[in-house]
Parts: sequence; C-alpha cells; structure tokens
Amino acid sequence: GAVVSQHPSWVICKSGTSVKIECRSLDFQATTMFWYRQFPKQSLMLMATSNEGSKATYEQGVEKDKFLINHASLTLSTLTVTSAHPEDSSFYICSARKTGGPNQPQHFGDGTRLSIL
Amino acid sequence: AQSVTQLGSHVSVSEGALVLLRCNYSSSVPPYLFWYVQYPNQGLQLLLKYTSAATLVKGINGFEAEFKKSETSFHLTKPSAHMSDAAEYFCAVSGANAGNMLTFGGGTRLMVKP
Repeated sequence: GAVVSQHPSWVICKSGTSVKIECRSLDFQATTMFWYRQFPKQSLMLMATSNEGSKATYEQGVEKDKFLINHASLTLSTLTVTSAHPEDSSFYICSARKTGGPNQPQHFGDGTRLSIL
Repeated sequence: AQSVTQLGSHVSVSEGALVLLRCNYSSSVPPYLFWYVQYPNQGLQLLLKYTSAATLVKGINGFEAEFKKSETSFHLTKPSAHMSDAAEYFCAVSGANAGNMLTFGGGTRLMVKP
C-alpha cells in the first residue's frame, strides 16, 4: 500500500506556458502533501506543504504566485508552474503522508521532469 | 531545528562487499529517521524508518540501520552489495516541528563495482 502517482512524468514546453502537475495518493488519504524540487546531483528542496482544504505553506524564497498549489481533496494535490521560463526547468517530486504525525513516512511520486525551451 | 549530514557524497563498493552509508542528525526533539533510495529519474522509495521502537531497524532489499542516540547517528548497512543497489540514498529526519516536515541529507551515491 501507500502508492503515490504523479503525472505527467515528463513535460517539454515553450517559455511562457503554464504547466500543471498532479499528485495522487491512490490507496490512502493524505491530509498533507509536499512538493519538492530537485536539481541534478542534489538533494530535495522543499517548496511547499499542501494541506487539504487550506492554503499551502510555502518555503522561504518560493514564489507562491509562480507555483500555484491546490489540494482540493484528500487524494489529490496539483502544482501549476505559471508562465514557465527556462530557469524553472527541474525535477519536481511530490509526496503524501498518511495522517498520524511525524512518525509516518512520506510516500513519493516518481517525479516530473520539466524542460522549458 | 533539525538537520541531517550524510558523510560521503559518493561511496563505491565491490559486489558482495559490505555497504555502509553514514548519517548523522541533529534534532531538538526525539527524532523520527528515514532512509530513502532514489533510482535515476524516479521518485524516492522508503527503505526503512525509525520511530522510537527497536533501535535496529530492518528494511527492504536487505538493508538495515541502527539508531544510536549517543552518537546521533543512523547509519545504513547491507552485508553484501548487489549491482542493483547502485542508486542515490537519502537520510531524512522529522520531528515535532511546524508541519512535521522531512529534512533531507545531501544524499550519497552508491556505486557497485562488479
């Protein structure tokens, strides 16, 4: 159990396009989901924490108007990169955690590679 | 505040040799500790977790880790490396901080030589 599906797995688009990435928990409910960005050969950088039914909490330095997060249900969170530019090219990974607190592990999607031309 | 340090960004072992990936943490509250593995172009897969029960934790694929409070360590080991173990490994800590976020170490790339 604890499968997280992330879609799409790879996106290539022109500069100025907005791109939506979906993160779904397939077999459990996730009150909290997380969005990370990972640069080549680096660790994961937390962008924002997404809570079902409320506004996302963004980490310092992450533009909330640039990276729109919606967590409309207990199984779905979306990240929209608005007006994407080449510097937004990266590997984006979501995770979801079952209810129960910090002892519950986060379960990760397979990531979305975003390439902006 | 919490942080994680993984000593050695690259570790190379021969197939069949012992794997030891080091992780040290700092946390102002009792920590929950996790090891994840990442294969190329994929997300992270949970290997094992420590949640204040047994200090020696067994995970998937033959990996295990031992929580040592006195050393603030949670090193990952496997007795005999397989070629399929080649991947990036991340140690992470969470605690009773705001949002119960995971804090990741910088990662260790494990290479397995035939």
